[in-house]
Amino acid sequence: KNQVEQSPQSLIILEGKNCTLQCNYTVSPFSNLRWYKQDTGRGPVSLTIMTFSENTKSNGRYTATLDADTKQSSLHITASQLSDSASYICVVSDRGSTLGRLYFGRGTQLTVWP
Amino acid sequence: EADIYQTPRYLVIGTGKKITLECSQTMGHDKMYWYQQDPGMELHLIHYSYGVNSTEKGDLSSESTVSRIRTEHFPLTLESARPSHTSQYLCASSPKQGLAGGPPLGNEQFFGPGTRLTVL
Repeated sequence: KNQVEQSPQSLIILEGKNCTLQCNYTVSPFSNLRWYKQDTGRGPVSLTIMTFSENTKSNGRYTATLDADTKQSSLHITASQLSDSASYICVVSDRGSTLGRLYFGRGTQLTVWP
Repeated sequence: EADIYQTPRYLVIGTGKKITLECSQTMGHDKMYWYQQDPGMELHLIHYSYGVNSTEKGDLSSESTVSRIRTEHFPLTLESARPSHTSQYLCASSPKQGLAGGPPLGNEQFFGPGTRLTVL
């Protein structure tokens, strides 16, 4: 069964600190993995996308890693800001689907305190 | 910033009412999707469309219906709303292939801001 599991479920950090969010998946055949940021009451916005051959991708203070062998990914946030408070969702796409099938994790709810 | 719009953003209605949630995109994307999301839970696909006159049911059973008469428009309708329909509804669209000038993105979906529906 294709699944995406994220941890931790929620996380509270102080402004300026770093944090790392985890994602494990069983989606096969694998196409790509995205990290989305979803602010409360808004739609998800893509942060990074990685294909099978990529093992790291950065977008400003966000750095995602991918280990396709162990089917694990992480999202590292550096020097957190109050505006980073949001849900971070790991989304995995399978290959060969004409629909563009996405498998969503439940997200990690990050709260950044001043 | 993706050009995909949803209205209304918030809707509170009584049981038994008929409602239509609007979704429009100006990117010319062929594929469009409707997701349902409850707090703290993953997004569940309830409807999708490959293009005009194409509509399919997703993984999560839903009493809602959709239509795709125009490329840019993908409305979702509930004939008789019930409290169990209370949820956030997210619309998304994706291009046939990667953005011009870049590598194929493979299934990149752009999301609207969502409609928060409350049925009393």
